[in-house]
Parts: sequence; C-alpha cells; structure tokens
Amino acid sequence: GENVEQHPSTLSVQEGDSAVIKCTYSDSASNYFPWYKQELGKRPQLIIDIRSNVGEKKDQRIAVTLNKTAKHFSLHITETQPEDSAVYFCASANQAGTALIFGKGTTLSVSS
Amino acid sequence: EAQVTQNPRYLITVTGKKLTVTCSQNMNHEYMSWYRQDPGLGLRQIYYSMNVEVTDKGDVPEGYKVSRKEKRNFPLILESPSPNQTSLYFCATSSLAGVDNEQFFGPGTRLTVL
Repeated sequence: GENVEQHPSTLSVQEGDSAVIKCTYSDSASNYFPWYKQELGKRPQLIIDIRSNVGEKKDQRIAVTLNKTAKHFSLHITETQPEDSAVYFCASANQAGTALIFGKGTTLSVSS
Repeated sequence: EAQVTQNPRYLITVTGKKLTVTCSQNMNHEYMSWYRQDPGLGLRQIYYSMNVEVTDKGDVPEGYKVSRKEKRNFPLILESPSPNQTSLYFCATSSLAGVDNEQFFGPGTRLTVL
C-alpha cells in the first residue's frame, strides 16, 4: 500500500541552528505534500504545503523542497527557536485525494 | 468562531460497551475524516466522508462505524470497543471535497478501553 517514510524520528538542535526533516513517499501519483506541527497535548496544525508542480516553497523561516523524480520532500527550519519544539508530520495525498498518508513523525527539540 | 469540536475529550470505558465520539464543525466543510494517533505510528485514517451520506473506509476501519446524516456532524461509533482501540482520536475537516488542501483538526479525544 501507499507509504510515507520520515526521518529522523528525533532531532535535537541548539537555538539558532537549522533543522531538516526528510520524507519519501511511495505513490508516484501523489501531488500534494503538507507538513503538520503538533505541540504537546495539542492538535496537528498545517505549517506549510507544496504541490507537485512546484519544487520549493518558503514561508519566513520554514521551507519545503520536493523532488518528484526521487519521490522525496523535505522540511527546512532556519534559525530555530525553542517554540519550534514539537512533533512534525509529513504527509502525501493519495491520487484520489481522499486520504492523507502520514509519516510517523519527528520530535524536534530546540534547546536554548 | 470557526471551529471543529469533539466530545468527549477524555473517556475511560470497558470492553464491549458501545460508545460514540461526536465531531461537529461550523465551517460548512464538505470533507470530514477520522484519524487515530498511536505512539510511533503517526496518524492513520479510519473513515472519511466526501459529503452528506457519502462515507468510505480509510486504512484502519475495523471495529469502527461512521455516519454522515448532516453536513456538520460526523460521529465515530465503536460498537464493541476492545483494548486495542485505546488511542487518541482526531476528527479533521477541509473545505473542499478532498485532502489536497488544509485539514482542520479537532482537539482530540483520548480513549482508554479497559
């Protein structure tokens, strides 16, 4: 079945450093790739997304890159801050657009 | 205020006792979905609904039922709960009939089945 692999499962960085989380997906027909942030005890919230006709998208300190040929996409957070500490999930939409397939999540810890 | 609500937020129950977790949205969204979140497994889709009276199975539908009799409500029904259904459950909605746009999640329901 469709699958999304996410790495690393945990990531610890110092405040001000950059953080990169990588995902690979199996369904070559996928065309929508969102990233969700889930703070402790809270609901997941969309932070950025990218569609297959775009290779890169940026929003202030966060950016996402997509390589459709390799079926890879990555989240980049620059100048990390303690409030970036959370679990981050990547996902891909199935071809029918009826389901998001989520990665298992990355716990990011930013220490000051 | 635009919102997705779930009730109850916390529930401890016993094996075999039927329960319903409600999900309601006031955003007139077409698409609604249920996910369960388990440690190390991420979010897995249980059921989804593209519109009123249109529901379909997700990845892990066994042991669950849903209904979509009206646009705003999408209850999740556990007819005979078992301990392996102990999990954190999220309802999610989106404005378009599909997932290729922002999903708005409810606050979550933490269910424990003894």
